[in-house]
Amino acid sequence: DGGITQSPKYLFRKEGQNVTLSCEQNLNHDAMYWYRQDPGQGLRLIYYSQIVNDFQKGDIAEGYSVSREKKESFPLTVTSAQKNPTAFYLCASSGQGYNEQFFGPGTRLTVL
Amino acid sequence: GDSVTQMEGPVTLSEEAFLTINCTYTATGYPSLFWYVQYPGEGLQLLLKATKADDKGSNKGFEATYRKETTSFHLEKGSVQVSDSAVYFCALSPLITGANNLFFGTGTRLTVIP
Repeated sequence: DGGITQSPKYLFRKEGQNVTLSCEQNLNHDAMYWYRQDPGQGLRLIYYSQIVNDFQKGDIAEGYSVSREKKESFPLTVTSAQKNPTAFYLCASSGQGYNEQFFGPGTRLTVL
Repeated sequence: GDSVTQMEGPVTLSEEAFLTINCTYTATGYPSLFWYVQYPGEGLQLLLKATKADDKGSNKGFEATYRKETTSFHLEKGSVQVSDSAVYFCALSPLITGANNLFFGTGTRLTVIP
C-alpha cells in the first residue's frame, strides 16, 4: 500500500540533544512537508521541499534542519537550539499539482 | 495574506444530532478548500475537498460547499455518530503552482455522546 510512514511514534529527548525524525513516502510525490502541532492549535509549517536537494523554510524553521537527498525521504532534525521542542510532528507529501497533501501518522516528541 | 478562520470548539453533540462547523477564509484568487479530520493520536486524513466555487465536497455523510460570495466552506453532517468524535481542520491551498503551504484553521474538537 502507498503511504507515508513516520518513525518513531514516540521520542524522548534530553535537553541539549539533537534528534532526527524520519519521514518516508512511497507515493512518488515530489513535494514533502514538516508541520508542528501543539495542543489545541492548528498546524504550523516548519520546512518544505519541492524537489530533491532543495528545501525552503516555513513559518517556524528556527531550531530545525532538514535534508532531501532522496525523493522518498525527508528527515527532520530538531536541534538543541529549538527552545520548546515538545510537540506532535507531522510529515506530509503532495504530488502533481501540489494541491492535496497526504499526512503521515506523526511523531510525538517529548523533551525531558 | 491567506488565512482560515474556523469555529472554535469544543463541540459536544448527542448521537444522531445535526453538525455544522463553520469555516471562512481569506485569499486572493480562487483557492482550493479542504476539510481534514484527526482522530486521537493520529495524523490528518483528508475528509473532503472542493476546488472551485459552488463545488460540493462530500464523504462519509459529511458535506461542504465552496461559497465564494460568503468566502465560506462550512462542514455539515445530518446525523453524527460516536465514531465521528475527532478534531476537524479546515484548510486552504492558494491557487499557485509549486509546493504550497496549506493554511489551516485552529481545529474544532467534536465529541459525540451516545
